[in-house]
Amino acid sequence: GQQVMQIPQYQHVQEGEDFTTYCNSSTTLSNIQWYKQRPGGHPVFLIQLVKSGEVKKQKRLTFQFGEAKKNSSLHITATQTTDVGTYFCAAVQGGSEKLVFGKGTKLTVNP
Amino acid sequence: GAVVSQHPSWVICKSGTSVKIECRSLDFQATTMFWYRQFPKQSLMLMATSNEGSKATYEQGVEKDKFLINHASLTLSTLTVTSAHPEDSSFYICSAGDYYKANTGELFFGEGSRLTVL
Repeated sequence: GQQVMQIPQYQHVQEGEDFTTYCNSSTTLSNIQWYKQRPGGHPVFLIQLVKSGEVKKQKRLTFQFGEAKKNSSLHITATQTTDVGTYFCAAVQGGSEKLVFGKGTKLTVNP
Repeated sequence: GAVVSQHPSWVICKSGTSVKIECRSLDFQATTMFWYRQFPKQSLMLMATSNEGSKATYEQGVEKDKFLINHASLTLSTLTVTSAHPEDSSFYICSAGDYYKANTGELFFGEGSRLTVL
């Protein structure tokens, strides 16, 4: 079945530094979604990317979908302590509504 | 956004007992809901797809007799962990998509239910 590989597993940064997490798939994805899960909380939808080469921004967050639609990245500029959490990419398993999650990148921010 | 409510948030039970977790879509109808399981510091693992009015579809390796899923209405799916054992202790999360309101493919997640089996 569909698998998405996500790296790094952990990232610790100083407040103000940038952060990037990457997702890769061996197969072409129809779309990719990004979620954020705060410690003790449930995943919350951030964005969905559909088009090849798509770039979307949400304030300090920049999401990219690769030209081949096999990889994606989430970049946070000038991290803040409120950015702490685990960021997951997720892709729909081909031909179904099932969403398969990457392993996630846990971000911790030192104030 | 759409709201998915999950109950209970926490449950502690003795080994051998059964536990039922409810997942409700509060402001939309969900013909399909998904049940995930998350171990500490790990990702969400899809357990099964709950289909309203029909049998659930289980992922490989998930015991359907162990994790009973019932989706009796368009707003309610239940997961029953039967004869629970300590290794079933985990964070169970349901999700659903409001495909009429949100064409983003976004899934809305319940708050999750943390099960501890003693």
